[in-house]
Amino acid sequence: SQTIHQWPATLVQPVGSPLSLECTVEGTSNPNLYWYRQAAGRGLQLLFYSVGIGQISSEVPQNLSASRPQDRQFILSSKKLLLSDSGFYLCAWSVGSNYGYTFGSGTRLTVV
Amino acid sequence: DQQVKQNSPSLSVQEGRISILNCDYTNSMFDYFLWYKKYPAEGPTFLISISSIKDKNEDGRFTVFLNKSAKHLSLHIVPSQPGDSAVYFCAASESLRGWGKLQFGAGTQVVVTP
Repeated sequence: SQTIHQWPATLVQPVGSPLSLECTVEGTSNPNLYWYRQAAGRGLQLLFYSVGIGQISSEVPQNLSASRPQDRQFILSSKKLLLSDSGFYLCAWSVGSNYGYTFGSGTRLTVV
Repeated sequence: DQQVKQNSPSLSVQEGRISILNCDYTNSMFDYFLWYKKYPAEGPTFLISISSIKDKNEDGRFTVFLNKSAKHLSLHIVPSQPGDSAVYFCAASESLRGWGKLQFGAGTQVVVTP
């Protein structure tokens, strides 16, 4: 069966520190991978998506970057965190033209 | 530019009554719509979907209605139960893109009271 792992679950980081959030998918090949953010009191905002290894598309200009070093691994990074980067980060995957996403359990990031 | 809008941030409903959640979209190319349910500190889980070739899809207590001319869809939960208390997200996709890139609304917090 397919599963998605996302870690850590909670993270508190000082302003200006780096960030690395990892997401891995099991049980499927060549998934579409996504990073979403839910800021406090707001909906889900698509940050990045990837349709294959090394292929990253950014939806909004921001302080973050994403990489896909392996087929089932998606990493969200920042060199220097801002206060505005605080939020709930969600990784998700889908396959082909299947429009239903499976989401990870999320990472609560607080930048202090 | 918010292409999917959920204009009601919250909804309170009594247990056993109907919950009606609304969603509007602006992109006429959207042809597949989904509803997700989210509990605090968890990822959203898929609830129900509808293709633009239909105007209604039902799954147990959940029914989604689509009005393409009005660019409007709604989710009905009947009867509402305390476990339905969660945030509900509406999402939409364009199949011509060939893969599932979803645009989400801002969500509606549903509280089911005893």
